[in-house]
Amino acid sequence: GAVVSQHPSWVICKSGTSVKIECRSLDFQATTMFWYRQFPKQSLMLMATSNEGSKATYEQGVEKDKFLINHASLTLSTLTVTSAHPEDSSFYICSPLVFRVSGGLSYNEQFFGPGTRLTVL
Amino acid sequence: GDSVTQMEGPVTLSEEAFLTINCTYTATGYPSLFWYVQYPGEGLQLLLKATKADDKGSNKGFEATYRKETTSFHLEKGSVQVSDSAVYFCALSDRMDSSYKLIFGSGTRLLVRP
Repeated sequence: GAVVSQHPSWVICKSGTSVKIECRSLDFQATTMFWYRQFPKQSLMLMATSNEGSKATYEQGVEKDKFLINHASLTLSTLTVTSAHPEDSSFYICSPLVFRVSGGLSYNEQFFGPGTRLTVL
Repeated sequence: GDSVTQMEGPVTLSEEAFLTINCTYTATGYPSLFWYVQYPGEGLQLLLKATKADDKGSNKGFEATYRKETTSFHLEKGSVQVSDSAVYFCALSDRMDSSYKLIFGSGTRLLVRP
C-alpha cells in the first residue's frame, strides 16, 4: 500500500485563527487529492477534490473561501481552515488518488491519511 | 443521488463469533463497491472490493458479494478476532463518474470481546 501522512495529527486553536493541515504522499505521486471531514459517529463527507496545479472543486455547501486547498505538487496538498469557529471542529482526512498499472490493466486506487483532529475553542 | 446505508452500531461480539454487517446502496450508474476499515488512531484502509454484479471480494477472512438484485454488499466473517475491532465503512464509486468520488455509509463500529 501507499503511505500518506498528515500533519498535525491534532490541533487546538482559538476562534478566529487559521489552521493549516498538510497531507503528504511519502512513496508515490498523486495527481488528485480528496479532502473529507468526519463528524463523531458519522460518515466521511467529501469537501473538495483538487488536481495538481489547478483549482479545487468544492462540494455543494462547502465554502471555498473558508477551506482553502492548495495542491502545488504531486506529493503535497494543504487544507487551510480560515477564521476557524467552533462549528469547524471536526476530523479532517486527506485521500490521494493513485493511478496504477498492473498486469496490463490500469486502475485508480484511493488511499487515506490518518486524519487531523481540529478543535476550535 | 447515490447513497449507501449500513447498519448502525456498535456491534459487540465474542471472539470466534460470526459477523454480518449489512450494507445496501442506491446508484443510478454502475457502481463499484468497497469495504474500508478504520482501526483506532489510523486512516481508512481498503478491506475488499467488487466491481460488478456477483463478484465476491475477500480479504483477511472477510467476504462480501455484490448483489445487484438486492442492491446489497453485506460484509461477513466466519470467526472474528479481538484484532478485528474497528469501524467498518461501506462505500461505492460510480464508474461512470470520472471524478472517482467515493460515497460512504455512516460506518459500523465492531467490538470483539475475548
